[in-house]
Amino acid sequence: AQSVTQPDIHITVSEGASLELRCNYSYGATPYLFWYVQSPGQGLQLLLKYFSGDTLVQGIKGFEAEFKRSQSSFNLRKPSVHWSDAAEYFCAVVSPNRDDKIIFGKGTRLHILP
Amino acid sequence: DAMVIQNPRYQVTQFGKPVTLSCSQTLNHNVMYWYQQKSSQAPKLLFHYYDKDFNNEADTPDNFQSRRPNTSFCFLDIRSPGLGDAAMYLCATTGTSGVRGYNEQFFGPGTRLTVL
Repeated sequence: AQSVTQPDIHITVSEGASLELRCNYSYGATPYLFWYVQSPGQGLQLLLKYFSGDTLVQGIKGFEAEFKRSQSSFNLRKPSVHWSDAAEYFCAVVSPNRDDKIIFGKGTRLHILP
Repeated sequence: DAMVIQNPRYQVTQFGKPVTLSCSQTLNHNVMYWYQQKSSQAPKLLFHYYDKDFNNEADTPDNFQSRRPNTSFCFLDIRSPGLGDAAMYLCATTGTSGVRGYNEQFFGPGTRLTVL
């Protein structure tokens, strides 16, 4: 069965520090991978996506993610976090069929220390 | 500029009192989704429309219904809300063109439902 695992429920980093959020997936075919961000009380915003090609993808707000097929991972990174990055982050896989259903991980809540 | 619009942003209803949440889109997408997201959880797909074809998830309670009168609008009806239905409800849309058949979903801002 398809699944997405985000092993860290909460992560706390200091403002200006680097960030890495982990994501592992289990999927039979070549996946489409995504990271979404959700600020409190808001909807989901797409940060970046991977379909194919270059395994290092750049997203909005200074985020990047690297697809590693051998590790079934798609970790999200940012070299220097800002207080405004405090939010919930969801890794997701899309099932590439007619319905394009998104399978979400359970999310990682990012806390920023001043 | 808004692409997926949800109204209202906050909805309060009473236990057992029917409530309708609204979603509209300016993208002319043919697929629309409704998700339920409870606090500190991932969004859970309730159902979706592919054009006029309604697709219910197997574990979506019968208490949840949906209507799609036209391409632009989709409604979520909760016939008898219980306390456990308090959540954020997210609408999303997608078109039918994209890389290798994938169609990116665009999410609305959500409606937060409170049940008293």
